[in-house]
Amino acid sequence: GENVEQHPSTLSVQEGDSAVIKCTYSDSASNYFPWYKQELGKRPQLIIDIRSNVGEKKDQRIAVTLNKTAKHFSLHITETQPEDSAVYFCAATEPGGFKTIFGAGTRLFVKA
Amino acid sequence: DARVTQTPRHKVTEMGQEVTMRCQPILGHNTVFWYRQTMMQGLELLAYFRNRAPLDDSGMPKDRFSAEMPDATLATLKIQPSEPRDSAVYFCASGLDIRMQPQHFGDGTRLSIL
Repeated sequence: GENVEQHPSTLSVQEGDSAVIKCTYSDSASNYFPWYKQELGKRPQLIIDIRSNVGEKKDQRIAVTLNKTAKHFSLHITETQPEDSAVYFCAATEPGGFKTIFGAGTRLFVKA
Repeated sequence: DARVTQTPRHKVTEMGQEVTMRCQPILGHNTVFWYRQTMMQGLELLAYFRNRAPLDDSGMPKDRFSAEMPDATLATLKIQPSEPRDSAVYFCASGLDIRMQPQHFGDGTRLSIL
C-alpha cells in the first residue's frame, strides 16, 4: 500500500520568511494530494490540494508543487505569520479509491 | 457550512469501562473514517466504511475495539474494556467516494482512561 514520508518534523522560521515542507509517496498511481493544517486542540482542516494532472497550485500565500516522476510534493508558505504556527500534514490518496494516507506531520513555529 | 459532528467532545472514565464514541457524517457523504491521534502525532487510521460497509479495520485492536455504521447518519467506535493506553483524541472524517475529493474532519473526542 501507499506510504507517505514527510520532512522536516519540526520547522522554525522568522515571521515574514518562507517555509517549505516536503513529502514523498511510494505508489506512483496515487493521484490526489491534500494538505491539512491542525492548530493546537483543533481538527485537521484542508488548506490546499493538488491533483495529479497539475504540477503547481497557488492560493494566496500557500502553494503546492507536485513532481510525479520523482513522487514528491511540497507545500510552500510565503510571508509567514504567527497564525501559520500549527502542525501540517501532507497526504496521498490511494489509486482507485478514497483511502488517504497521511504523513507524520510537520510542526511549524513562526517566531514574531 | 456542513460539518462532521462527534460526540462526546470529552470523555474521562476508568480503566475497564466501555466507551462509545459517535460520529454524524456530513449529509450525503458515503465514506467514513476513524483516526486516532496521540500527543499531536500522526493520524493513525483505525477503520473506514463505504456506503456503511466496513472496508478495512486492520488498524484497530480487534479484541477491544469495534466500529459500526447502524445507518448512514451514524458511525460508532466502541472500546471494551478500555485501557489507559487508549487515551488519545479520536477523529472521525467523512467524504465522498468520488476520486480526488478531500476528507472532512470532526472536532474529535478527547478520551482519557484513568
